[in-house]
Amino acid sequence: DAGVTQSPTHLIKTRGQQVTLRCSPKSGHDTVSWYQQALGQGPQFIFQYYEEEERQRGNFPDRFSGHQFPNYSSELNVNALLLGDSALYLCASSKGRNQPQHFGDGTRLSIL
Amino acid sequence: GQNIDQPTEMTATEGAIVQINCTYQTSGFNGLFWYQQHAGEAPTFLSYNVLDGLEEKGRFSSFLSRSKGYSYLLLKELQMKDSASYLCAVISTSGTYKYIFGTGTRLKVLA
Repeated sequence: DAGVTQSPTHLIKTRGQQVTLRCSPKSGHDTVSWYQQALGQGPQFIFQYYEEEERQRGNFPDRFSGHQFPNYSSELNVNALLLGDSALYLCASSKGRNQPQHFGDGTRLSIL
Repeated sequence: GQNIDQPTEMTATEGAIVQINCTYQTSGFNGLFWYQQHAGEAPTFLSYNVLDGLEEKGRFSSFLSRSKGYSYLLLKELQMKDSASYLCAVISTSGTYKYIFGTGTRLKVLA
């Protein structure tokens, strides 16, 4: 039973570029949430997708957008990258919107 | 505002018991989670409390008091592998569900 999978594992970009991160939820899960985690900090909630729509959003600018596909997989897009966007991006899936979440191993994004 | 507070670091001895506290102030409440995160790895789910009281799961227990905005995670019979960060997370319900994580407590278990 595959857990949550994320790709790529690591990514290096430069300021102003755009990036797309991908996530496949755990089998049987229909809800996907995205988090940004800076070193030594807890995860910060970006947004959550359910039934292919953004249902909740944290305090992140519109540069952060996403999508959920009919197979429940999801993408996180970040435009006009800033140095401060360097972080570990975690995807978490759950069966339902307020249930325990299972996390992927994350994508470490570095902005030069 | 919405806030979750946890101690930054704790140290304990192998075989001992440790209690990690979490206090929260959120707009609405729909559950509290505890996660364990080893360095460089993803968080893993430990426990979920939505009603007041104690939930026990093996060596790990979690307690919730909604009236006090307080929870703790109790780890018994500590092992070296328990050295990790422990994250407290709350689902607030200010119109919509929002997941709020604390900064985590780094626990170091010494031999």
